[in-house]
Amino acid sequence: DIQMTQSPSSLSASVGDRVTITCRASQRIDSYLNWYQQKPEKAPNLLIYAATSLQRGVPSRFSGSGSGTDFTLTITSLQPEDFATYYCQQSYTTPMYTFGQGTKLEI
Amino acid sequence: EVQLVESGGGLVQPGGSLRLSCTASGFPFSRYWMSWVRQAPGKGLEWVANIKQDGSEKSYVDSVKGRFTISRDNAKNSVYLQMNSLRPEDTAFYYCARDQTTAYYQYMDVWGKGTTVTVSS
Repeated sequence: DIQMTQSPSSLSASVGDRVTITCRASQRIDSYLNWYQQKPEKAPNLLIYAATSLQRGVPSRFSGSGSGTDFTLTITSLQPEDFATYYCQQSYTTPMYTFGQGTKLEI
Repeated sequence: EVQLVESGGGLVQPGGSLRLSCTASGFPFSRYWMSWVRQAPGKGLEWVANIKQDGSEKSYVDSVKGRFTISRDNAKNSVYLQMNSLRPEDTAFYYCARDQTTAYYQYMDVWGKGTTVTVSS
């Protein structure tokens, strides 16, 4: 089984900051990596797919990078609405998927 | 509007059964794989199961194999999750999601609002 490990588990930042969240796979997954944002009491929302592709409607301050085992989600110029929990998810083993444990981004 | 609406959650005793439903609208349901994802209270996301467009392929996370069954009815634009032999650790919010495929990549691009399942005596 492929394990996905995110770091940090939680992160404090301020409006206007640039933040980076890391996701590491236990084995190579090429670019089969997606990122989701989840706000409290809400369903997850797709941000990035295939490691670097921005989902339609997602602000351009979100970006993804990486390939193989190491991936990053970067948010430039944090906005108040960006404070949420972020999850990575691998689809290399499709149709079976695995999520990371999540990174909570707090003010 | 593209939409997924889950229903069927509730309180059930350990060992009991529950059937979740998810009804889709606003897109050609029969063209998509569909997934169920759950989230235990205060925990992260866990993919549970998915099903191919015609129902011919189904996959499950190990922890639910043999207990949960995913199915679909394309005429009703619906996907189901039959949950048997429920355990307290199955207590979670259950989301229905659409599996999108672009080139060789898969991701879940539409999510329902979810339904709560509580397994407790």
